[in-house]
Amino acid sequence: GAVVSQHPSRVICKSGTSVKIECRSLDFQATTMFWYRQFPKQSLMLMATSNEGSKATYEQGVEKDKFLINHASLTLSTLTVTSAHPEDSSFYICSAKQGSKIAGELFFGEGSRLTVL
Amino acid sequence: AQRVTQPEKLLSVFKGAPVELKCNYSYSGSPELFWYVQYSRQRLQLLLRHISRESIKGFTADLNKGETSFHLKKPFAQEEDSAMYYCALDRRDMRFGAGTRLTVKP
Repeated sequence: GAVVSQHPSRVICKSGTSVKIECRSLDFQATTMFWYRQFPKQSLMLMATSNEGSKATYEQGVEKDKFLINHASLTLSTLTVTSAHPEDSSFYICSAKQGSKIAGELFFGEGSRLTVL
Repeated sequence: AQRVTQPEKLLSVFKGAPVELKCNYSYSGSPELFWYVQYSRQRLQLLLRHISRESIKGFTADLNKGETSFHLKKPFAQEEDSAMYYCALDRRDMRFGAGTRLTVKP
C-alpha cells in the first residue's frame, strides 16, 4: 500500500518558538493531504485540508496564522506551529489520498508528538 | 454537515465471543463509510470500506441507510483484535467518530 511518512516523530520546543512538521507521500502523488490533531484518548480532529498549489482550507476554530500549512509539491505538505505555547502540545497526524480522488482511502503518517515547554 | 457517532468509548469481550462496534452517521448525500483501526503503537490503517463489501480479518460492516448505521461486526473475537477502532465518513475530507477501544480478554 501507499506510504506516508512524517518527520519528526517527536519534537520538544520552548514556548514562543516555531516548529515545522513534514508529511511526505513516498510512493504516490497526493494532491490533497489532511492534518489532524489528536488529544490523549480522544479522536482525530481535522485541522485543515492541504491542497497542492493552493491555500489550505482550515476547519472552524483552527487559527490559520498559528498553524501554517504549505503544500508546495505533490509529495510534501508541511505544518508549522508558530509561536508555540504549551496548549499546542499534542499529537499531529497527517494523511493523504492517492491521486485526486474526491472520496477514498486515507493513508496515514506515523504522527508527530509535539511538546511545548 | 456530516457527523459520525460511535456511542461506546470502551468495549470489552472475551475471546471467541461475538463483537459489534456501533457507528451511526448523519449525512444528506450518499455516504462513503470506512472503518479504520489503530493497533498499539502503530499508525491508523484502513480496515474496511463499505463499497468493497468485503470481510477483513473476519470483520464485516453493512451500511444500513434506513438506520443510518455502519456497525462493525465479528462473530468470534480474537485477542489480536484489541485496538482502537474509528468509524469515518468521507466526501472531500474524512471525518472520524470518537473511536471505540476494543479489548478482547483471554
